Amino acid sequence: SAVISQKPSRDICQRGTSLTIQCQVDSQVTMMFWYRQQPGQSLTLIATANQGSEATYESGFVIDKFPISRPNLTFSTLTVSNMSPEDSSIYLCSATGQWEEAFFGQGTRLTVV
Amino acid sequence: AQSVTQLGSHVSVSEGALVLLRCNYSSSVPPYLFWYVQYPNQGLQLLLKYTSAATLVKGINGFEAEFKKSETSFHLTKPSAHMSDAAEYFCAVTSAGTGFQKLVFGTGTRLLVSP
Repeated sequence: SAVISQKPSRDICQRGTSLTIQCQVDSQVTMMFWYRQQPGQSLTLIATANQGSEATYESGFVIDKFPISRPNLTFSTLTVSNMSPEDSSIYLCSATGQWEEAFFGQGTRLTVV
Repeated sequence: AQSVTQLGSHVSVSEGALVLLRCNYSSSVPPYLFWYVQYPNQGLQLLLKYTSAATLVKGINGFEAEFKKSETSFHLTKPSAHMSDAAEYFCAVTSAGTGFQKLVFGTGTRLLVSP
């Protein structure tokens, strides 16, 4: 199994600012992903974080708004840029490896005011 | 494309009663199916998974689910609900061809357990 640590666990940010969320996995994993969970809704995949190259974004998400880095096999960051209240959500990091399942971090609860 | 439908955004049961949370999937390739649980202010924890082995899958905390291809269903059950089962439950689908990438989640079912 894998343990995924996310920081910060929550934050309140001013509109127009940016927040970087960190995700650390305790073992080497194959794939890392970032999901968004808007209030009262399900999880939506934002992008796949690729090691050493640009992330692969899902429809409706763009790199300028959600830049992602993955410098090595166990670490990734997601930045939410130029935030607006509509960005208030829970952001979750996920990882898969040799196991037939995905593990999730505790999530980052973001409120934009 | 794959999709998941969870019937019922909220399910209420009494403690000790049967829990049944419904999940139907759509997939053009053999699916891999998962149930995750999310407790308040926490991330997702895997309850159980179906990956083309036994169709009746047993998971943690007494939960189990049965894969029924003919009905395209993967309903989650527990014989006797406990107060600690109150949480949000998500059904998700992916396929081996994607390397377990891109989990597609249902909209979730909130389980309420009353004494």
